[in-house]
Amino acid sequence: GAVVSQHPSRVICKSGTSVKIECRSLDFQATTMFWYRQFPKKSLMLMATSNEGSKATYEQGVEKDKFLINHASLTLSTLTVTSAHPEDSSFYICSARLAGGNEQFFGPGTRLTVL
Amino acid sequence: AQSVTQLGSHVSVSEGALVLLRCNYSSSVPPYLFWYVQYPNQGLQLLLKYTTGATLVKGINGFEAEFKKSETSFHLTKPSAHMSDAAEYFCAVRNAPTTGANNLFFGTGTRLTVIP
Repeated sequence: GAVVSQHPSRVICKSGTSVKIECRSLDFQATTMFWYRQFPKKSLMLMATSNEGSKATYEQGVEKDKFLINHASLTLSTLTVTSAHPEDSSFYICSARLAGGNEQFFGPGTRLTVL
Repeated sequence: AQSVTQLGSHVSVSEGALVLLRCNYSSSVPPYLFWYVQYPNQGLQLLLKYTTGATLVKGINGFEAEFKKSETSFHLTKPSAHMSDAAEYFCAVRNAPTTGANNLFFGTGTRLTVIP
């Protein structure tokens, strides 16, 4: 149980285009989902926390207009990287947590490459 | 604010040798502590966690960690390394419920290499 999926696993796009990444909790309802960014050989940096049905809370330094997060249902959150640039290339990982739970369940990540 | 320090960005051990990955945290109150493993181009997999109770926690794949409040440490150990243990390991901390923000704070990671 507690499986989180991400789609796509890899995406390559041209500079200036927008890319949407989906995060799904497959066998549980996730009231809270988290989006992380991981640079090569670096740790995970929390970008934002989203609660179902409400606006996401962004960490300091993360542009909310650039990284659009939607958490429309208890099993799906999406991250849209708008007008992507090469510096947005990174590994994006989502996680999901049950209401009142202590543990975050992580997705397998999405490798974004912006040409 | 929470912070996590992992001493040693790279650790190499021989197959069959003891694995010791260090993690220290800073927190004004006892936090919840986690160790995750990440294989190349994959997400994070939970190895073990400490929330309350017994301070020696056993996890998957033969790993264990001990919460030492006096040392603010949560070091990860495994008696005998296996080739399949080669991966990146992350220590993470979060506040206990009702004691503050409950998002995870990660250390910078330790890459474990196992030498045949």
